[in-house]
Amino acid sequence: SQQGEEDPQALSIQEGENATMNCSYKTSINNLQWYRQNSGRGLVHLILIRSNEREKHSGRLRVTLDTSKKSSSLLITASRAADTASYFCAPLTPGTALIFGKGTTLSVSS
Amino acid sequence: ETGVTQSPTHLIKTRGQQVTLRCSSQSGHNTVSWYQQALGQGPQFIFQYYREEENGRGNFPPRFSGLQFPNYSSELNVNALELDDSALYLCASRGKSMNTEAFFGQGTRLTVV
Repeated sequence: SQQGEEDPQALSIQEGENATMNCSYKTSINNLQWYRQNSGRGLVHLILIRSNEREKHSGRLRVTLDTSKKSSSLLITASRAADTASYFCAPLTPGTALIFGKGTTLSVSS
Repeated sequence: ETGVTQSPTHLIKTRGQQVTLRCSSQSGHNTVSWYQQALGQGPQFIFQYYREEENGRGNFPPRFSGLQFPNYSSELNVNALELDDSALYLCASRGKSMNTEAFFGQGTRLTVV
């Protein structure tokens, strides 16, 4: 199993701004998943991008994957206060478990 | 609602005691993973079960053990509790396919005093 490393560790923005967070990993993957966690609660799946995909959208979320650089980014457009949470990426290879890094803590102020 | 239920939601135990945490998986999911999350940290992988067999383990001592039952519900047992075991314990279930998301329970907050 391998974990993703999220960057930055913390991000503070105003409502309406875009938030970008990055994820790097070390070995080839089958897919990469992004999760959100509100304080003290379980993780919620946001989006899964397969290794043969380069970009995926879901509502205000846009995820990109660059397998040559072993990196992914999550863009949240027009952020809202409700987007305040920690965000985690998890690269997945066959037969392994989802391993999480320290995450990016996003604070969106109104 | 994710369909993954953990019990209890909160628990206080004394150092040296043993604890059992429970997780009911989402219907049709045969893989369950357990995580420990200390305050301000990311979830740390404890172990994973697939069809009642452990098929992955993180860097946790043997006093952390688990079970998965034929109905794919699961237990996490921790013996000889230490103060550092105080954390949020999360379970997650997912289906057989690699390209499926994991569904997390709301966690059990364990406090060891």
